[in-house]
Amino acid sequence: AQSVTQPDIHITVSEGASLELRCNYSYGATPYLFWYVQSPGQGLQLLLKYFSGDTLVQGIKGFEAEFKRSQSSFNLRKPSVHWSDAAEYFCAVRMYSGGGADGLTFGKGTHLIIQP
Amino acid sequence: DTGVSQNPRHKITKRGQNVTFRCDPISEHNRLYWYRQTLGQGPEFLTYFQNEAQLEKSRLLSDRFSAERPKGSFSTLEIQRTEQGDSAMYLCASSFGGHSNQPQHFGDGTRLSIL
Repeated sequence: AQSVTQPDIHITVSEGASLELRCNYSYGATPYLFWYVQSPGQGLQLLLKYFSGDTLVQGIKGFEAEFKRSQSSFNLRKPSVHWSDAAEYFCAVRMYSGGGADGLTFGKGTHLIIQP
Repeated sequence: DTGVSQNPRHKITKRGQNVTFRCDPISEHNRLYWYRQTLGQGPEFLTYFQNEAQLEKSRLLSDRFSAERPKGSFSTLEIQRTEQGDSAMYLCASSFGGHSNQPQHFGDGTRLSIL
C-alpha cells in the first residue's frame, strides 16, 4: 500500500528566510505527487503537482518542489517566506488508476510557523 | 469557476442522530471525492464517484455511512446513528476527466461535532 511520510510535525522559520518541507513516499512505481496547503478552518489549496518529466516543478505563491526518485522524496521549497505562508502543508500521492484506487493518500502534515 | 461548495459549514448534533452533508462540485467535473480529516491529521479517503457511479469505498466507510450522487452533479454524505468518533471535518473534492493526473480541487469542508 502506498504511504506518505512528512517527518516534521512543526517547523518555525523567520520571515524572509528560506523553507524546505520534507516528504517521502512509499510506492512501487512512479506516483503522482501533490502538495496542498490548508489554512485554519479551510479546505485544501493545490500548490503544485508532479506527474512526469522535469523533476523540478513550479507552483503557486513562489513554491517549488523537486522529485527525487532515488530518495523517494518530493520536498517543497520556497526561497523567502512571508507571514501569510503560515499554514498546514500536506504532501499527497495518488496511484495510477486503471479503474480503481483513485483517492489521494496524504501525509500527516507539517505546521509552518513564521516568526517576525 | 465557482469552486467546490459544501453545506453546511458546521454541524453540531447529539450522539445517535443522523446527519447529511451536501457537496456541489465544480460544474464540469465528473469525479467527486469524499475525505475525512480529524484534528492534527491529513485527510483520509472515504469514497469517490465518477458521474453517478460510486467506484470505490474505503474501509473507513462503515455501514453507517452512505454517499450518493444521483444525477452525477451534487453529492450527499449521510451518517446514521452518529458516534463520538465521527467528529471530524468532512471534505469534498472534484476533478475533471478519467485520468489520475488530474488534480483534485477541495471545498472548505463541513465540520461535524458530536455532543
